[in-house]
Amino acid sequence: DAKTTQPTSMDCAEGRAANLPCNHSTISGNEYVYWYRQIHSQGPQYIIHGLKNNETNEMASLIITEDRKSSTLILPHATLRDTAVYYCIARFRGSSNTGKLIFGQGTTLQVKP
Amino acid sequence: GAGVSQTPSNKVTEKGKYVELRCDPISGHTALYWYRQSLGQGPEFLIYFQGTGAADDSGLPNDRFFAVRPEGSVSTLKIQRTERGDSAVYLCASSPSLAGGINEQFFGPGTRLTVL
Repeated sequence: DAKTTQPTSMDCAEGRAANLPCNHSTISGNEYVYWYRQIHSQGPQYIIHGLKNNETNEMASLIITEDRKSSTLILPHATLRDTAVYYCIARFRGSSNTGKLIFGQGTTLQVKP
Repeated sequence: GAGVSQTPSNKVTEKGKYVELRCDPISGHTALYWYRQSLGQGPEFLIYFQGTGAADDSGLPNDRFFAVRPEGSVSTLKIQRTERGDSAVYLCASSPSLAGGINEQFFGPGTRLTVL
């Protein structure tokens, strides 16, 4: 699975959009970009995933660049409850893949009042 | 419906003791994963089950660690002769389909293991 690079930490004002970047310059054509987050003392929680098109769900939007070398997770109106560690993961899809997730250090997002 | 549950939530043991950690996945989920998370680090993959069989145990650190899933549902992670370095949060996750799919993994709250 491709290695991803994320900033160690970010701050965001409550009510504003939080934009979390991720670099995955070695991603292959069969690798999806997944985002999970982990709120303190809880297990990770799935947010969103995409291959090459932008994706949106009730939690967030995922913008993937045309060359697929980077992506941005957008939380449109951050709340204090969005304070968490956010993990960007490149995950290969295929019959030989076990589906295991390779977590990096993630980005610690602090939403401030 | 019920999510992934793990018991106990906390376990304190002494160096050299044996421990068992239990995971109850979401009903019907065929894939089950164990991860370990040390303080300040992201979760680290340990083992993956598809049904009853361990399809990938490449993340188990050594032969003191073993996991079973005899009926394809509940799984138990077993650690023999515990060491202080085994102290971590052990996370379990389940997924509804084969590993090659793109389904999300649902994580439990974890078991915090402390080895004194």
